[in-house]
Amino acid sequence: ELKVEQNPLFLSMQEGKNYTIYCNYSTTSDRLYWYRQDPGKSLESLFVLLSNGAVKQEGRLMASLDTKARLSTLHITAAVHDLSATYFCAVDISADGLTFGKGTHLIIQP
Amino acid sequence: SAVISQKPSRDICQRGTSLTIQCQVDSQVTMMFWYRQQPGQSLTLIATANQGSEATYESGFVIDKFPISRPNLTFSTLTVSNMSPEDSSIYLCSVEAGGTGRFRTEAFFGQGTRLTVV
Repeated sequence: ELKVEQNPLFLSMQEGKNYTIYCNYSTTSDRLYWYRQDPGKSLESLFVLLSNGAVKQEGRLMASLDTKARLSTLHITAAVHDLSATYFCAVDISADGLTFGKGTHLIIQP
Repeated sequence: SAVISQKPSRDICQRGTSLTIQCQVDSQVTMMFWYRQQPGQSLTLIATANQGSEATYESGFVIDKFPISRPNLTFSTLTVSNMSPEDSSIYLCSVEAGGTGRFRTEAFFGQGTRLTVV
């Protein structure tokens, strides 16, 4: 059974700081997704990582995937308040649905 | 990409009743997925809906409680039956698109149905 572990589950940080969210998974996969969810909203796709060593960046967010270590990271650079949200990683093994991490509830304070 | 329309966006229902949630996709897809997100929790896959065959349910979810229809390649419904307050959740429809076969490259989600059972 695929397990996806995300940490930290809760993160409070100040604007301007850097931080990393980690996503470990238990079964070989070469597809990993990062989503953002604002309160009361659906999921917003941030990144799709499809191969070992994949690195993608969008604004202050950068995601990477190491399939050998079964690890993905979401790095936040110089955080701003607008990035406050819950971030989920999800793993797809065989296109039969995603297994999600528990989510990281991120609060960025001025 | 795929655009997913989900109805209703929210509902408040009496316990013991049933609610059917509709999911419409703007392109033909083989599989559609239904997820549940309980308050403050992550998403859990309920079932996979294939056109022309019975849905496949994940552990802990049964057809009698969550019957699913998949009449064509762009539409699916999920019914939450005999509801109790524990069924209060967000229910989301999803499709995987891009690439081919098992090498789908992206997963898209509807806007979700926020269900409150009183």
